[in-house]
Amino acid sequence: DTEVTQTPKHLVMGMTNKKSLKCEQHMGHRAMYWYKQKAKKPPELMFVYSYEKLSINESVPSRFSPECPNSSLLNLHLHALQPEDSALYLCASSQADREGDEQFFGPGTRLTVL
Amino acid sequence: SQQGEEDPQALSIQEGENATMNCSYKTSINNLQWYRQNSGRGLVHLILIRSNEREKHSGRLRVTLDTSKKSSSLLITASRAADTASYFCATEDSGGSNYKLTFGKGTLLTVNP
Repeated sequence: DTEVTQTPKHLVMGMTNKKSLKCEQHMGHRAMYWYKQKAKKPPELMFVYSYEKLSINESVPSRFSPECPNSSLLNLHLHALQPEDSALYLCASSQADREGDEQFFGPGTRLTVL
Repeated sequence: SQQGEEDPQALSIQEGENATMNCSYKTSINNLQWYRQNSGRGLVHLILIRSNEREKHSGRLRVTLDTSKKSSSLLITASRAADTASYFCATEDSGGSNYKLTFGKGTLLTVNP
């Protein structure tokens, strides 16, 4: 199984809502990532979990809260978002802390904040 | 911060023609990777070239790397309509985290049937 799955595919939320994005992989990868991608722009790294511990936080606002419950799952909890947070949120995974590891991406969650 | 800069930003060709995309970067790197993204979907890894390599092939893909010029090119030969996508280069910086890829702005390739 070389697939990263993400749910939901689409999400519309108000600025006062709390929602969560979910990501799952069963490739035995020990690194998992959240990226944000605006239209016609490249992906921007948000968070990296390595062996279920937060390894990188790219100065992301606290209204985004990541969680890695186990080695296969990655969540992104959303609270009090702004309209400018509307974007495609991509999850990815890779084997471990090795130079040159390929990252496997999920199809993304299209988030719209009203 | 964006390290890689692709050019052209957009490229439109006929099926069967070759497509060449270029990427420039600013710092020392361990490797450079190319990814493809179909419209609004996730990215797919195409090929990786390490800093001590100059050229690499994979099927219809040919990647070159010139570390003295801090640049790379991706050549897709005999293009097909299914190659229509955005193509991003991504660098893994030497001295940085092995997890962190810095993506370029991308080239939107359209292959017309």
